[in-house]
Amino acid sequence: AQKVTQAQTEISVVEKEDVTLDCVYETRDTTYYLFWYKQPPSGELVFLIRRNSFDEQNEISGRYSWNFQKSTSSFNFTITASQVVDSAVYFCALRGLYNQGGKLIFGQGTELSVKP
Amino acid sequence: DVKVTQSSRYLVKRTGEKVFLECVQDMDHENMFWYRQDPGLGLRLIYFSYDVKMKEKGDIPEGYSVSREKKERFSLILESASTNQTSMYLCASSKRTSAHTDTQYFGPGTRLTVL
Repeated sequence: AQKVTQAQTEISVVEKEDVTLDCVYETRDTTYYLFWYKQPPSGELVFLIRRNSFDEQNEISGRYSWNFQKSTSSFNFTITASQVVDSAVYFCALRGLYNQGGKLIFGQGTELSVKP
Repeated sequence: DVKVTQSSRYLVKRTGEKVFLECVQDMDHENMFWYRQDPGLGLRLIYFSYDVKMKEKGDIPEGYSVSREKKERFSLILESASTNQTSMYLCASSKRTSAHTDTQYFGPGTRLTVL
């Protein structure tokens, strides 16, 4: 069975602080894909990143960085120098190579609040 | 840019009513999905479709049906709405590729309240 756990339900930080959102996954597939989505108050899920299981290189995009550790089945997301506009619910998701229809398994989401 | 639109942002219906939620994508994607989002549960897949007139059950299909008569449009139907179907409904679409790396793109969501 596949499962994604985001243990942090809510996080509150002050602007300019760094913050890390945790994501732990379970799967028996050897080939799989991991995703992060951002859901701002407007409601639409915005795609942030996709990683495949063969690529453990960490990725940086501006203030965002992702740390993929296969050994601990984790795909954590760090925001450096957080801003008020980063306030949103963030979802981590998993898709096995053979998931029917490309089905995504989502974590429960982490609500990030960045205060000025 | 991928564009997925949903017919309503907010909807209020009464118990027992038949409810239609519409989703349209403009990127010629083969796959379309309906999720519901509830606090503490994340997103759960209701139904998906990988081609016109094709549909597959997701994890929580009970109380729902779907229709896909055209490639760009995927409808979610609540045959007889109940209060436990009060939720946020999100539609998504993705391209089917041989590389299996298709990313799902989401619409803005419909917040449905059943009274």
